[in-house]
Amino acid sequence: KQEVTQIPAALSVPEGENLVLNCSFTDSAIYNLQWFRQDPGKGLTSLLLIQSSQREQTSGRLNASLDKSSGRSTLYIAASQPGDSATYLCAANTGNQFYFGTGTSLTVIP
Amino acid sequence: NAGVTQTPKFRILKIGQSMTLQCTQDMNHNYMYWYRQDPGMGLKLIYYSVGAGITDKGEVPNGYNVSRSTTEDFPLRLELAAPSQTSVYFCASRLGLAEETQYFGPGTRLLVL
Repeated sequence: KQEVTQIPAALSVPEGENLVLNCSFTDSAIYNLQWFRQDPGKGLTSLLLIQSSQREQTSGRLNASLDKSSGRSTLYIAASQPGDSATYLCAANTGNQFYFGTGTSLTVIP
Repeated sequence: NAGVTQTPKFRILKIGQSMTLQCTQDMNHNYMYWYRQDPGMGLKLIYYSVGAGITDKGEVPNGYNVSRSTTEDFPLRLELAAPSQTSVYFCASRLGLAEETQYFGPGTRLLVL
């Protein structure tokens, strides 16, 4: 059974800082790995999806990398802003199912 | 496109009552999912469907039932509600290809007392 872990559980940084969120998974047989953002009381919004054949994906200030062999993905946020404050979840897609981590709660302090 | 819609937004149930959580998508997606999210936790898959008439269990199916009679709708039925079913329930859909992303509804907050 796929297990997905996210470290750290919570992170607080001053505005403007670059930061890295970590996601690890136990079974490397994945189709893709997806990063989501969740605001309090809201649903999930997809940020980036990395296919198993890719090493990284970029969208604006966000960059996600994937190392299938080591079972790791990272989400890099450049020049953080208070509006980036949210919970970030990763999910490993094994075909029909997605397995989610417990998330990293990010607070960016103005 | 409304995307994925869920009703109700919030509901309080008494122990032993039953209810149906509604989920509808207008993107003609084949795959639909039901997840629950407990406080401070990630999402756990309850049931999923790969097309009309086809459903399968996820990680935590006990106490729930689903049906998929149309492509658009994927209702989740709670029979004999228990306090352990207090959670936020999310419905999601995707086109069906392994490479595709999921799209989520806004969630239903359920409190069982």
